[in-house]
Amino acid sequence: EPEVTQTPSHQVTQMGQEVILRCVPISNHLYFYWYRQILGQKVEFLVSFYNNEISEKSEIFDDQFSVERPDGSNFTLKIRSTKLEDSAMYFCASSEAPGTGFSGELFFGEGSRLTVL
Amino acid sequence: RKEVEQDPGPFNVPEGATVAFNCTYSNSASQSFFWYRQDCRKEPKLLMSVYSSGNEDGRFTAQLNRASQYISLLIRDSKLSDSATYLCVVNRRGFKTIFGAGTRLFVKA
Repeated sequence: EPEVTQTPSHQVTQMGQEVILRCVPISNHLYFYWYRQILGQKVEFLVSFYNNEISEKSEIFDDQFSVERPDGSNFTLKIRSTKLEDSAMYFCASSEAPGTGFSGELFFGEGSRLTVL
Repeated sequence: RKEVEQDPGPFNVPEGATVAFNCTYSNSASQSFFWYRQDCRKEPKLLMSVYSSGNEDGRFTAQLNRASQYISLLIRDSKLSDSATYLCVVNRRGFKTIFGAGTRLFVKA
């Protein structure tokens, strides 16, 4: 069964360091997303990406965040200068359609846990 | 007001019980509605989409009331394996899918 894969599964970094989280979406999906979940809190939308550009982003997705699709398979989230409050589980997701209509199911990866010290 | 609000829970029920989760959403332009399930420290997974006419999938029934901006999920004959957090999920036109905070369910033998 096709799945979304994420690496690394866990990363520990020092405050101020740059982090890149990687995702391989399902191959025939066209819409890609990053969500984050701080421990014990809800899943929060960060950004959506379609046709090689950001289609929507939340207020959380400030200038320290960026996304890229460097090749035909990878989708990355970069955090330029990590802060303690960036510690969270980061989920990548992909979908066939942009979430409208019944084909908008989001398929999530298993997540990358980021710990900022 | 939060865009998607759910019962805070947790719900503790015995096996075989029927349990209902409620959810309200604030944006009347919302178009698509889903229930996801999240196991502890795992990724969310789609449980079922919610259709305007209501829909059923085995022991699970979802209802949508657009006028009241209300979504529900009913689980009949609860199993131990139903223990999880249930997430109400709403998408309005576009790419932003919003998750509720979730309601934790514990099913006990």
